[in-house]
Amino acid sequence: AQSVTQLDSQVPVFEEAPVELRCNYSSSVSVYLFWYVQYPNQGLQLLLKYLSGSTLVKGINGFEAEFNKSQTSFHLRKPSVHISDTAEYFCAVSEGGAQKLVFGQGTRLTINP
Amino acid sequence: GAGVSQSPRYKVAKRGQDVALRCDPISGHVSLFWYQQALGQGPEFLTYFQNEAQLDKSGLPSDRFFAERPEGSVSTLKIQRTQQEDSAVYLCASSLMDTQYFGPGTRLTVL
Repeated sequence: AQSVTQLDSQVPVFEEAPVELRCNYSSSVSVYLFWYVQYPNQGLQLLLKYLSGSTLVKGINGFEAEFNKSQTSFHLRKPSVHISDTAEYFCAVSEGGAQKLVFGQGTRLTINP
Repeated sequence: GAGVSQSPRYKVAKRGQDVALRCDPISGHVSLFWYQQALGQGPEFLTYFQNEAQLDKSGLPSDRFFAERPEGSVSTLKIQRTQQEDSAVYLCASSLMDTQYFGPGTRLTVL
């Protein structure tokens, strides 16, 4: 069975500082990996995804993530955060195609001025 | 274009009442998923449709939960005899290929 672990439940950072949100997964098959962001009282918005190919994936709002197969990780990074990045971030994995997503517990990113 | 819409956005039910939650997927999206998100948790899979066929309902927590998508478009998630533990946000997502697009969710509170 697949599982996703987000190692930090909360990450506070100062505005314009870099940030890394960590995600590890377990699966016995090849996977697709996703990061979604959830703003208060809203649904999930796709930030970026890894399906195949280059292990460095760039997404919206200046975020990027790197797929590391040997470490089964897919950490999310941004070099300089803004107040507007305050939200909950979810890492998710699927076995591909039209398959269900398995989510981590989420990481709450708080940006302090 | 229009995204996934869900209604109602908020629902308060007394314990024991039946509720129906609606999802309008993105036009042309073949696949439709329902997830349950408890407070402070990540979403958890409930069920999956491809067109009108329910191909996976392994995540439905009990036989009180029922989902349908009779014409392969709009879907309804029904919960019978609601219990307090059913309180959660119910998210619907649709996809054409490998990416799921989520609606805003329905927040269900059972008193």
